[in-house]
Amino acid sequence: EVQLVESGGGVVQPGGSLRLSCITSGFPFDTTDMHWVRQPPGKALEWVSLIHDSGRTTYYADSVKGRFTISRDTSKKSLYLQMDSLRSEDSALYYCAKDYMGSYTHWGQGTLVTVSS
Amino acid sequence: DAVMTQSPLSLPVTLGQSASISCRSSQGLVHSNGNTYLNWFHQRPGQSPRRLIYEVSKRDSGVPDRFSGSGSGTDFTLKISRVEAEDVGDFYCMQGSHWPYTFGQGTKLEI
Repeated sequence: EVQLVESGGGVVQPGGSLRLSCITSGFPFDTTDMHWVRQPPGKALEWVSLIHDSGRTTYYADSVKGRFTISRDTSKKSLYLQMDSLRSEDSALYYCAKDYMGSYTHWGQGTLVTVSS
Repeated sequence: DAVMTQSPLSLPVTLGQSASISCRSSQGLVHSNGNTYLNWFHQRPGQSPRRLIYEVSKRDSGVPDRFSGSGSGTDFTLKISRVEAEDVGDFYCMQGSHWPYTFGQGTKLEI
């Protein structure tokens, strides 16, 4: 059974940092591209970042470029998102999602990030 | 980026009725490999999204056949026949044919 379990969310002041984690199981993590997708309260889903299976190629939404860093640890089957210089507009439920053939086959339960003074 | 536009944004329905959601893309969604990566997701209140349909019309395992997807090019439709109480929530289309993947604004189905 595929499982994605996010953690690391919390309340942080503007300008602060958080590191999200996503522990995976049930599929070959080392050959799977992985994404972070977020959802502000009451709003639509928004893609945030992608890391290819090799870990060598990453992409970011313009809204987070230069502030967020995606990474992965194959030995731990884990995905990470380092979020720096956080803004109020970054407040959202952050999901990790498993990519396959132009789609998200599985999602985690999400971890909530609240940026507020 | 491919902009995905859903309509309607709110969809009040009666149990047992049919419902239809439209999704239009700002650009054609045929991938260079010939496939069309148009997906539909359902998000129940307080839950994570769950994929219903991929590649326009292929239903995921366990998805009732009340759900069907159709369309081509830039225009796509999700049809729900015989709406049930468990169908409440938000429905999102998402394209994976062009980078970056993009979502529609969501359609809220209410009974």
